[in-house]
Amino acid sequence: KAGVTQTPRYLIKTRGQQVTLSCSPISGHRSVSWYQQTPGQGLQFLFEYFSETQRNKGNFPGRFSGRQFSNSRSEMNVSTLELGDSALYLCASSFAGRNTGELFFGEGSRLTVL
Amino acid sequence: QQQVKQSPQSLIVQKGGISIINCAYENTAFDYFPWYQQFPGKGPALLIAIRPDVSEKKEGRFTISFNKSAKQFSLHIMDSQPGDSATYFCAARGTGNQFYFGTGTSLTVIP
Repeated sequence: KAGVTQTPRYLIKTRGQQVTLSCSPISGHRSVSWYQQTPGQGLQFLFEYFSETQRNKGNFPGRFSGRQFSNSRSEMNVSTLELGDSALYLCASSFAGRNTGELFFGEGSRLTVL
Repeated sequence: QQQVKQSPQSLIVQKGGISIINCAYENTAFDYFPWYQQFPGKGPALLIAIRPDVSEKKEGRFTISFNKSAKQFSLHIMDSQPGDSATYFCAARGTGNQFYFGTGTSLTVIP
């Protein structure tokens, strides 16, 4: 069974540009969450999508947005990039039910903003 | 505001020793407490998890101890091995499917 796939794995952008990251969840998983990982901060929740609807959103500015498609694949977009946006962006998929709970993470997209 | 506080930030243990990582939380609505293990260049992977109605869960060399009244939980790694060297994150699940993670503990097991 294929795991969570994130593309691209690495990318370099300059301040003011925008970026789109892609995530393909495990087959059958309908929930996709995005996290930002930075040294010393751990993983910070960005948002969660289920059946193409954003169910939950973390405390990030509106420059961070996302969407989910009918096949559960998800994208996140960051506009007007800032130096502080440099981070590892992790996508996680899971079953929808509350009784399971396990998040399956991809290997992440490492974004560097110059 | 860090909803889940994790300590220590780094830990060095001799092979065969016990590694202990601690976490504390404030929100009593959290209903699921997993531990994740992350190797360099990889995403976090679930190691072990516990629900608040259980005080201890053991899987092989890994044990979670959970103290609901103190709002604390810890990961114990028995007989630590060099292959256990990784970063460990505790987490707690809140409303929806939102998880709050600790800041991570870098574990180094010396042969």
